[in-house]
Amino acid sequence: AQSVTQLGSHVSVSEGALVLLRCNYSSSVPPYLFWYVQYPNQGLQLLLKYTSAATLVKGINGFEAEFKKSETSFHLTKPSAHMSDAAEYFCAVTPSGAGSYQLTFGKGTKLSVIP
Amino acid sequence: DSGVTQTPKHLITATGQRVTLRCSPRSGDLSVYWYQQSLDQGLQFLIQYYNGEERAKGNILERFSAQQFPDLHSELNLSSLELGDSALYFCASSVGAHLNTGELFFGEGSRLTVL
Repeated sequence: AQSVTQLGSHVSVSEGALVLLRCNYSSSVPPYLFWYVQYPNQGLQLLLKYTSAATLVKGINGFEAEFKKSETSFHLTKPSAHMSDAAEYFCAVTPSGAGSYQLTFGKGTKLSVIP
Repeated sequence: DSGVTQTPKHLITATGQRVTLRCSPRSGDLSVYWYQQSLDQGLQFLIQYYNGEERAKGNILERFSAQQFPDLHSELNLSSLELGDSALYFCASSVGAHLNTGELFFGEGSRLTVL
């Protein structure tokens, strides 16, 4: 079984400051990891995904995440926050390899950006 | 716009009633997934269909059922509704049967309120 834990249900940063959203995973097999973003009144949109290629993954809107096996982490970062980044962010995991059907999501972290 | 269409966007009904939520996947996608998002449980995987056949089941109650039709649209049926079924129900679609080869595209959700 696999799971993800997102530390901090709510994170506030100032505009222009570093964004760091934490995600730790638990998986009995090598995982694939994802970050999704949900803007108010919208569905989830894929930001980036790790599928066992490069451990540093770049996504849309200037976000990136680094897979660290030793720390079982997949934290999401962005060097400089923008007002438009205010949203809820979800980390998700699925087992690697064929036959993976279920994406398991974390509880989400709501990001607020202060002008 | 993800290309996934869900109807209705909002639905208010009473306990004990039955409702049907509808989802049209992106053009070309064969898999449809249903997720339930609530404040206490977060995003929970309910069920997946691939090309008309059920592929995976998650935390779906026996009072809930789903199907995927030959034109690939899907319906989620919720019966004997309880207050706790109030949630946002998302449909997502992907090209293949396995999550590790592709991306999930989410609709904007159907918000169900049970009074």
